[in-house]
Amino acid sequence: AQSVTQLGSHVSVSEGALVLLRCNYSSSVPPYLFWYVQYPNQGLQLLLKYTSAATLVKGINGFEAEFKKSETSFHLTKPSAHMRDAAEYFCAVSLTGGGNKLTFGTGTQLKVEL
Amino acid sequence: KAGVTQTPRYLIKTRGQQVTLSCSPISGHRSVSWYQQTPGQGLQFLFEYFSETQRNKGNFPGRFSGRQFSNSRSEMNVSTLELGDSALYLCASSSGLAGVGYNEQFFGPGTRLTVL
Repeated sequence: AQSVTQLGSHVSVSEGALVLLRCNYSSSVPPYLFWYVQYPNQGLQLLLKYTSAATLVKGINGFEAEFKKSETSFHLTKPSAHMRDAAEYFCAVSLTGGGNKLTFGTGTQLKVEL
Repeated sequence: KAGVTQTPRYLIKTRGQQVTLSCSPISGHRSVSWYQQTPGQGLQFLFEYFSETQRNKGNFPGRFSGRQFSNSRSEMNVSTLELGDSALYLCASSSGLAGVGYNEQFFGPGTRLTVL
């Protein structure tokens, strides 16, 4: 069975600082990995996804993530945080042949301070 | 293109009642998945429907059921509601290519169910 672990349920950064949200996965087969963002009272929006085409994945709003098989990690980064980045971020995994079943991490609440 | 719509957005029920939630996917999408989001358990997969057939099922009791219609709209039903069923229920649609795990899923805003 696949799973993801997000380290840090709350992360606080200053505006303009680097954002680093951590995600480690566990999977017996090559996974597909996703980062979603959820703003208050809204559904989830896809930031980016890893589908084995390239290990460094660029997404929307200036976010990117690097797939590291040796570390079983897929951390999300953004060079410079914006106030509008304050939201909850979820890492998720799905498997080939698994249809559209996503297994989510517990989420990381990102706070951006002036 | 219109996004995924869910109705109603908010719902209050009492224990023992049943409830039906509705989801209209993006036009052309044939896959609809349902997720439950709670503060304690996080986001959990309920089930997925593709072309009117349940393709995947999560680890939820039989009180949770769903169906999909020929126009891809989906409903989920929860019978004999319990306090613990209070949650945000999210619906997601995708093109749902068979066997492919990397389809982008587009989420609706959710239905907030409160069970008293």
